[in-house]
Amino acid sequence: ETGVTQSPTHLIKTRGQQVTLRCSSQSGHNTVSWYQQALGQGPQFIFQYYREEENGRGNFPPRFSGLQFPNYSSELNVNALELDDSALYLCASSPQDGDNSPLHFGNGTRLTVT
Amino acid sequence: AQSVTQLGSHVSVSEGALVLLRCNYSSSVPPYLFWYVQYPNQGLQLLLKYTSAATLVKGINGFEAEFKKSETSFHLTKPSAHMSDAAEYFCAVTSYSSASKIIFGSGTRLSIRP
Repeated sequence: ETGVTQSPTHLIKTRGQQVTLRCSSQSGHNTVSWYQQALGQGPQFIFQYYREEENGRGNFPPRFSGLQFPNYSSELNVNALELDDSALYLCASSPQDGDNSPLHFGNGTRLTVT
Repeated sequence: AQSVTQLGSHVSVSEGALVLLRCNYSSSVPPYLFWYVQYPNQGLQLLLKYTSAATLVKGINGFEAEFKKSETSFHLTKPSAHMSDAAEYFCAVTSYSSASKIIFGSGTRLSIRP
């Protein structure tokens, strides 16, 4: 059973640029959630995708957007990067929304904005 | 709205001593509660979860937590700390309506003294 994989592992961007982060969900999981974890803080919910549709969003501006593909993999896109976007971005998958199965997390993408 | 508060950003115990990490939750609906652990440069791993069954929940690596509704608490304990327990621990809450939209606390860093 393949777990959640994220790419790239590290990324350095300049303020104002755009970035795309990728996530492959665990086999059999159709729900993907994205979290932002700033240094020294807990993960903050960005949004969730279920069957290719956004299914809930946290308190993040519209320049944070995402996609989910038919194979349930997902992308997180961030436009007009700001210095405060520097963080560890975590992807998590679960079998289905509304189920009490726990999230399975990837190891994250460390984004640094300079 | 749901939230969790973790008391103490850093806890240090001696190897072999009791580990107690505190978490209080706020939820207007019956909560699901979780404890996750994060090792350096890794994603989050589920330790245990409470989903309205037994109030004393046993998890992996010898950890357990007790749900106390009257105190709105879900503290994490382990009778005897091991050096390998050194990590960041996150308490989290969600509800049945969407178990994937998990709200995390700010974390407690556990250090183990030889």
